[in-house]
Amino acid sequence: AQRVTQPEKLLSVFKGAPVELKCNYSYSGSPELFWYVQYSRQRLQLLLRHISRESIKGFTADLNKGETSFHLKKPFAQEEDSAMYYCALNVMGGQGAQKLVFGQGTRLTINP
Amino acid sequence: KAGVTQTPRYLIKTRGQQVTLSCSPISGHRSVSWYQQTPGQGLQFLFEYFSETQRNKGNFPGRFSGRQFSNSRSEMNVSTLELGDSALYLCASRLGTASEKLFFGSGTQLSVL
Repeated sequence: AQRVTQPEKLLSVFKGAPVELKCNYSYSGSPELFWYVQYSRQRLQLLLRHISRESIKGFTADLNKGETSFHLKKPFAQEEDSAMYYCALNVMGGQGAQKLVFGQGTRLTINP
Repeated sequence: KAGVTQTPRYLIKTRGQQVTLSCSPISGHRSVSWYQQTPGQGLQFLFEYFSETQRNKGNFPGRFSGRQFSNSRSEMNVSTLELGDSALYLCASRLGTASEKLFFGSGTQLSVL
C-alpha cells in the first residue's frame, strides 16, 4: 500500500534555528516525492520535488531510499516560513495517470 | 496566465441533496484532478480526468462522480449528501503528458447540515 507519514502535526522553532520536517513513505515502486506548502490564506503550492534536487527558499530535501524518508530541511528558519507543509508521494498509473498520496501535514510555526 | 479557478467558493447544503462543483484549469492544461481535504482524513485523491476521460479514481463511493468537457473544464458531483462530505474540495491541473507538478485552486468549502 502507498502511504506517507508525517509524524509531527505541529512544529515550533525560533527564528534562525534549523528546521527539519520529517516525512516517511511506503511504496513498492520507484518513489517520486514532493513537498507542498500552504501559507495562510493562500492555495496549496509546490515547494520542491526530489528529482529536481533543488533548493527553494532555502529548503532542501533528500530522498533516502534505505530509510524510506524525504525530510525537509532548512538551516536557518525565517518567520515567513510559518505555514502548513505536506509531503506527497506521486503514484503513477497507466497512460500517464497520476495521483498524489499526501501525508497529514505539519504546521510549522517560526517564533520571533 | 490565470490560475486554477474553482466555483463556488462556499456552499451550504443539507443532507440528501446533491451538489455540483466547477473547476477551470490553467489554459493549456488538459488534466484535472480533484482532492478532498478534511481535518480528520487530510488530503485524499478523488479522481483525475484527461481529455474528457476519467484516468484514475480514488477510494470514494459512487456518489462522487465527475466529468470533463472538451475545453478541459471539469465538474464534480456529489449526490445524496452526507454530513461526512463536509470538506474543502480542491481541484488541480497539469499539462497531463507526463509526471508534472500540480497547480491547485483555492477550493470549494462544502458544508453539509
